[in-house]
Amino acid sequence: GQQLNQSPQSMFIQEGEDVSMNCTSSSIFNTWLWYKQDPGEGPVLLIALYKAGELTSNGRLTAQFGITRKDSFLNISASIPSDVGIYFCAGHRTGGGADGLTFGKGTHLIIQP
Amino acid sequence: KAGVTQTPRYLIKTRGQQVTLSCSPISGHRSVSWYQQTPGQGLQFLFEYFSETQRNKGNFPGRFSGRQFSNSRSEMNVSTLELGDSALYLCASSLGWFSGANVLTFGAGSRLTVL
Repeated sequence: GQQLNQSPQSMFIQEGEDVSMNCTSSSIFNTWLWYKQDPGEGPVLLIALYKAGELTSNGRLTAQFGITRKDSFLNISASIPSDVGIYFCAGHRTGGGADGLTFGKGTHLIIQP
Repeated sequence: KAGVTQTPRYLIKTRGQQVTLSCSPISGHRSVSWYQQTPGQGLQFLFEYFSETQRNKGNFPGRFSGRQFSNSRSEMNVSTLELGDSALYLCASSLGWFSGANVLTFGAGSRLTVL
């Protein structure tokens, strides 16, 4: 099946630093999504991208839909303690055989005191 | 506006038993999707229901099944439980049939432990 390669697997950063993570795929996706999951909760949508090349911001978060439609990245600027959590990328294909979202394995963001 | 509600939140079963998990979507949402989350495999799509019909199905054995009722509430069932079925089962709802353009809102999940 399809797989999304998400990196890095984990990040240890200082408060105030910028964060960058990305996802790559061997397949083309029509939609790229970025979610954050806190302990004991379900994933919460951060940013949705619908067009190749699209750059979208949500506060301190910025994400881009790669021009090849096979990758996406998420940047977080000036990290704060509440940014701690697991970030997931997810891709979706439309058309025949659509099979829900394909998720990356997640990037675990840890902020060091 | 109430979110997606999943019950039970935690449950423990033994191998060979079966389990039924319930999901109440956001009011007005007609699509319900189910995902399995494990440390090893991550989040994997199980199936999606829209208007009481299964629209899409992931790559899981037939022991995993689901249904949706006329009020959009959904249940999933796992029969003949195996140790590897231990996971967090997440339900998500969206306004219409999920085409990528609709926002998926997830519940907090049902954590199943199989002993």
